[in-house]
Amino acid sequence: KNEVEQSPQNLTAQEGEFITINCSYSVGISALHWLQQHPGGGIVSLFMLSSGKKKHGRLIATINIQEKHSSLHITASHPRDSAVYICAILPNRDDKIIFGKGTRLHILP
Amino acid sequence: EAQVTQNPRYLITVTGKKLTVTCSQNMNHEYMSWYRQDPGLGLRQIYYSMNVEVTDKGDVPEGYKVSRKEKRNFPLILESPSPNQTSLYFCASSFSLAGVGEQYFGPGTRLTVT
Repeated sequence: KNEVEQSPQNLTAQEGEFITINCSYSVGISALHWLQQHPGGGIVSLFMLSSGKKKHGRLIATINIQEKHSSLHITASHPRDSAVYICAILPNRDDKIIFGKGTRLHILP
Repeated sequence: EAQVTQNPRYLITVTGKKLTVTCSQNMNHEYMSWYRQDPGLGLRQIYYSMNVEVTDKGDVPEGYKVSRKEKRNFPLILESPSPNQTSLYFCASSFSLAGVGEQYFGPGTRLTVT
């Protein structure tokens, strides 16, 4: 069983829709990262969370440490949000980072 | 401009021919890491370094070596590349992975081993 599970694997939505991507993990963590990988391959760090909620523009990330779950929300989605979104955890046990397999998001105009 | 650079960006080589992929960051970051990305498997950590002269294995270190002689550089060495090392490689750096931990990624190196 993977230590980091993302859902859905693929998501297609219309422009303007509210998007939610979920990340569940099975171990205690000291931090969780959300990354965005553009169609060209470049990877950008969106958020680093250890508790609560963070907001940047139309992106919101939340984490519930007790439930071992994080969500990434996109409000008023736009075709330029089309990308692969990747959740990654830093377990308490060591300094290795473990990635989810990503959620491929496609926003239709 | 704050950045992580990798070279080369693309490389086609043959089995057994030693190669080095360079990685350099200009942000004085302590933490640096190498990842490989494969279809269906996602990103996996190869090696990481908490600081100069401190390196540790990630999840898939076999067939790779690294060194951290200077804070800014973290080269990835394939002593005897094999076709199963054909992949997209990313270098990344951050102050740390927890706390102030935003990761900065290099542009990627696409390696093909024939």
